[in-house]
Amino acid sequence: NAGVIQTPRHKVTGKGQEATLWCEPISGHSAVFWYRQTIVQGLEFLTYFRNQAPIDDSGMPKERFSAQMPNQSHSTLKIQSTQPQDSAVYLCASSSGTGNGEQYFGPGTRLTVL
Amino acid sequence: GEQVEQRPPHLSVREGDSAIIICTYTDSATAYFSWYKQEAGAGLQLLMSVLSNVDRKEEQGLTVLLNKKDKRLSLNLTAAHPGDSAVYFCAVRSGSFNKLTFGAGTRLAVCP
Repeated sequence: NAGVIQTPRHKVTGKGQEATLWCEPISGHSAVFWYRQTIVQGLEFLTYFRNQAPIDDSGMPKERFSAQMPNQSHSTLKIQSTQPQDSAVYLCASSSGTGNGEQYFGPGTRLTVL
Repeated sequence: GEQVEQRPPHLSVREGDSAIIICTYTDSATAYFSWYKQEAGAGLQLLMSVLSNVDRKEEQGLTVLLNKKDKRLSLNLTAAHPGDSAVYFCAVRSGSFNKLTFGAGTRLAVCP
């Protein structure tokens, strides 16, 4: 079991460019969560999918951010027209449909917007 | 919405001593409680999780206490060692598939 896989581990973009972050959940897990971590705001929920369907996107910024889960093996978080304030570590977690629903995290993608 | 306060923000202990981290939460419907460890440059490692019907859980040198009346959750690392040095987060959620709400984290340093 490779755990949750996130790529790339580091991404540097120029202001105004697009960034796409990838997450591969643990095989067999039915839920995928996205969080953002910054020094100032700490860990913040962005959005989550269950059985590939979007369930809760209450934490997503209204503009420029979007997330998809086209199949059960990966999810993407896309940020259009990146701004310096988007710089953060983006963490993906997955959860199975059994037990207590614990969330297991990937190593994160550190996004730096210059 | 749910709010979680975690203290202390920084904690330094000597090797072999205990380290205690406390979180308080606001939503009485909160039913799932977890502790995560984050080492430098890494993601969050799940240490332990408990349900609201559990008051105490011990695993591998870690003790989690849950006081539902006071809405307080604590993590006790007994006999800390330098490898325990990391940032620790409490996290709570109200449902099995709900989002996690995190505390601000505690940076623990264990000195030899």
